[in-house]
Amino acid sequence: AQKVTQAQTEISVVEKEDVTLDCVYETRDTTYYLFWYKQPPSGELVFLIRRNSFDEQNEISGRYSWNFQKSTSSFNFTITASQVVDSAVYFCALSEGTGGFKTIFGAGTRLFVKA
Amino acid sequence: EPEVTQTPSHQVTQMGQEVILRCVPISNHLYFYWYRQILGQKVEFLVSFYNNEISEKSEIFDDQFSVERPDGSNFTLKIRSTKLEDSAMYFCASRRDGEQYFGPGTRLTVT
Repeated sequence: AQKVTQAQTEISVVEKEDVTLDCVYETRDTTYYLFWYKQPPSGELVFLIRRNSFDEQNEISGRYSWNFQKSTSSFNFTITASQVVDSAVYFCALSEGTGGFKTIFGAGTRLFVKA
Repeated sequence: EPEVTQTPSHQVTQMGQEVILRCVPISNHLYFYWYRQILGQKVEFLVSFYNNEISEKSEIFDDQFSVERPDGSNFTLKIRSTKLEDSAMYFCASRRDGEQYFGPGTRLTVT
């Protein structure tokens, strides 16, 4: 069965601090996708990144970076030099082939960045 | 870049009324989904749709819900007799290959 665990319910940091959001997933499939979404107070889901199970290369996009480790079933997200505009709920998500590629979301981590 | 659109962005309805939430998936996509997010909670899968029929549904998707692709472009979610607990954000998604694309959501408020 698919499962996504985001153990951190809320994180509060001061602007310019680095912060890492943890994500651990469970799947029996060899083909799957992992995602991170940002949900600002307005409610829409803002796509941040997709990783497929065959691509373990870490990625950096500006202040954002992602660490995908199949050995520990983790897909962690780091924001470097956080800013107030980063305050939002962040969801990690998984979709797998045998699940018809429906997306299973974690419970989300609410990030507060204080000025 | 093509995107999934949803209308309306916000719908207010009275308990017991029927509502139809509309989605226009990306034009060459073949698989369609609805998700629900109750305020403050996680996004939950409702139903997937392919080849004009439901391919999978969750336990949330009971008899009061139905989905339809009435024409070549729209994908709708109908809630027959809304309850207070149906108040949530509803997201539509579509995909062609492995990746789903999500719409901006419809916020449904049942009073």
